[in-house]
Amino acid sequence: KQEVTQIPAALSVPEGENLVLNCSFTDSAIYNLQWFRQDPGKGLTSLLLIQSSQREQTSGRLNASLDKSSGRSTLYIAASQPGDSATYLCAVPTGTASKLTFGTGTRLQVTL
Amino acid sequence: NAGVMQNPRHLVRRRGQEARLRCSPMKGHSHVYWYRQLPEEGLKFMVYLQKENIIDESGMPKERFSAEFPKEGPSILRIQQVVRGDSAAYFCASSPPVLRRVTNTEAFFGQGTRLTVV
Repeated sequence: KQEVTQIPAALSVPEGENLVLNCSFTDSAIYNLQWFRQDPGKGLTSLLLIQSSQREQTSGRLNASLDKSSGRSTLYIAASQPGDSATYLCAVPTGTASKLTFGTGTRLQVTL
Repeated sequence: NAGVMQNPRHLVRRRGQEARLRCSPMKGHSHVYWYRQLPEEGLKFMVYLQKENIIDESGMPKERFSAEFPKEGPSILRIQQVVRGDSAAYFCASSPPVLRRVTNTEAFFGQGTRLTVV
């Protein structure tokens, strides 16, 4: 059974810092890994999707890496801003198509 | 191209009533997934549907919960005789048709329906 863990559970940083969020998964036979952002009381916004054949994916100030063999992914956020404050979730497909197993999330607070 | 549409956004039901949550997938998507997020917990898979078929319902509670995705119209998640423990955010996601058994499609999520049982 796939299990996804995210560390840390919560993180508070001053504006401008670069930061790394971690995601680990127990079954390395994954097709892809997806990072999401969730604002309080809101839905999920897809940030990055890394295919199993890729090692990195970039979008603006976000960079996600994937190491399937070690069961890890990291989300790197450069020059953090208060608007980045949210919960960040990673998820991997389990079995069929886009049936996702989610991590418990990292709650990020970027302070002025 | 509108995203995944869920309604209502907020739903309040008294214990024992029925709750109906609706999800319209993105245009061109024929796969729908329902997830539940209990307070202070992560998202958990409930059910995966294609048009007129339930493909995987391994995450659905055995009683009171049902889901459908008819040929016409939105997918419906139905909860009968709601209890306080059903209070949660229910999210729907959709993805494009699967061309092969193994696929790398991206899931797109709706804004969710927040169900409160009083």
